[in-house]
Amino acid sequence: TQLLEQSPQFLSIQEGENLTVYCNSSSVFSSLQWYRQEPGEGPVLLVTVVTGGEVKKLKRLTFQFGDARKDSSLHITAAQPGDTGLYLCAGAAGWGKLQFGAGTQVVVTP
Amino acid sequence: DSGVTQTPKHLITATGQRVTLRCSPRSGDLSVYWYQQSLDQGLQFLIQYYNGEERAKGNILERFSAQQFPDLHSELNLSSLELGDSALYFCASSPTGGIGNTEAFFGQGTRLTVV
Repeated sequence: TQLLEQSPQFLSIQEGENLTVYCNSSSVFSSLQWYRQEPGEGPVLLVTVVTGGEVKKLKRLTFQFGDARKDSSLHITAAQPGDTGLYLCAGAAGWGKLQFGAGTQVVVTP
Repeated sequence: DSGVTQTPKHLITATGQRVTLRCSPRSGDLSVYWYQQSLDQGLQFLIQYYNGEERAKGNILERFSAQQFPDLHSELNLSSLELGDSALYFCASSPTGGIGNTEAFFGQGTRLTVV
């Protein structure tokens, strides 16, 4: 059972467009992480958000943690083909138990 | 390169068999986590070891077991394999035991195919 619901499941956009990926849960998490996974590779951590309402920016990526610490969003501005990948959110659900969402597959075409 | 090494990269075996997957964490990392990733289930947490001791358990089947050795490498043993066990198995490591607030580094995974 996935505690974290990600939407959309799949997103295909043109280079230069913006996109937003959502991660929602009915559970409260002490922290939430976003990863990007490319084919044949393991997930790579992009960011960790800890405080409700927190906004973090990583170049063209903006991450927001909901006030109630139950949801998060990832916004990419002016997407590039290099942003293509599977974006996963993960919530800390206890010691060592990082629960992952099913992921959003993002494809950015030139 | 995350610094986490998993072997083998690919494994094909028959139903009913037993296999061992190996993980070497990043130098200095004390925690090792095992995850299973399949198309219909996503990334599922299996088990965590911290400095040689089991620290947390997820939805790990009784047919599966793991251990972490004194040199901190870890092995995941899968026995009585079924077709449904076919998946990518990832190992991750972190410096401390609290994966949620610390960066976890994932290996490239072992792709297990049970035929």
